[in-house]
Amino acid sequence: EAGVAQSPRYKIIEKRQSVAFWCNPISGHATLYWYQQILGQGPKLLIQFQNNGVVDDSQLPKDRFSAERLKGVDSTLKIQPAKLEDSAVYLCASSVDRDKPQHFGDGTRLSIL
Amino acid sequence: AQSVTQPDIHITVSEGASLELRCNYSYGATPYLFWYVQSPGQGLQLLLKYFSGDTLVQGIKGFEAEFKRSQSSFNLRKPSVHWSDAAEYFCAGMEYGNKLVFGAGTILRVKS
Repeated sequence: EAGVAQSPRYKIIEKRQSVAFWCNPISGHATLYWYQQILGQGPKLLIQFQNNGVVDDSQLPKDRFSAERLKGVDSTLKIQPAKLEDSAVYLCASSVDRDKPQHFGDGTRLSIL
Repeated sequence: AQSVTQPDIHITVSEGASLELRCNYSYGATPYLFWYVQSPGQGLQLLLKYFSGDTLVQGIKGFEAEFKRSQSSFNLRKPSVHWSDAAEYFCAGMEYGNKLVFGAGTILRVKS
């Protein structure tokens, strides 16, 4: 079974630029999650999708972050404009359904200069 | 507020020694509890999970965890640590229908 795929693995941009991350969940997984992991901290949920609908985006900074999951499969997370404090690893995870164990991708490490 | 606490930021053990990583949770009801491991540059891998039933849970790579309601704890244990176990370990909790909340992690170092 293929795992959760994320790209790119690394990204370096300057503040105020925009950036996008892509995630392909495990086939058949209805629920998809985006997490932000700042150095030295545990992952924090940014947004949760159930199929192509948003379940929880309460911790997503909506003035600069956006995410979509068209067709209920792949997802993209965008930051525009980026701030220095956005430097983090962005993890995508998927699960068969809500409240089932989550499987994580390797993440995208974002550095803001 | 729902929270998960890992009191130890770093732990160092000798190879072959036993290991216990601490995790405490604060939830109104009994949450679902998980332990994940993260190697450098990698995502999180699920070690084990507790949903209900038997309070001693067996996981992959020889790990186990025990749910203790009276102590609000879900500590991770391994009887004999291998050098390849060096990584960061995260405890996480979730109430049904709510989001997964992670602790800050414990970095495990293994000395030979």
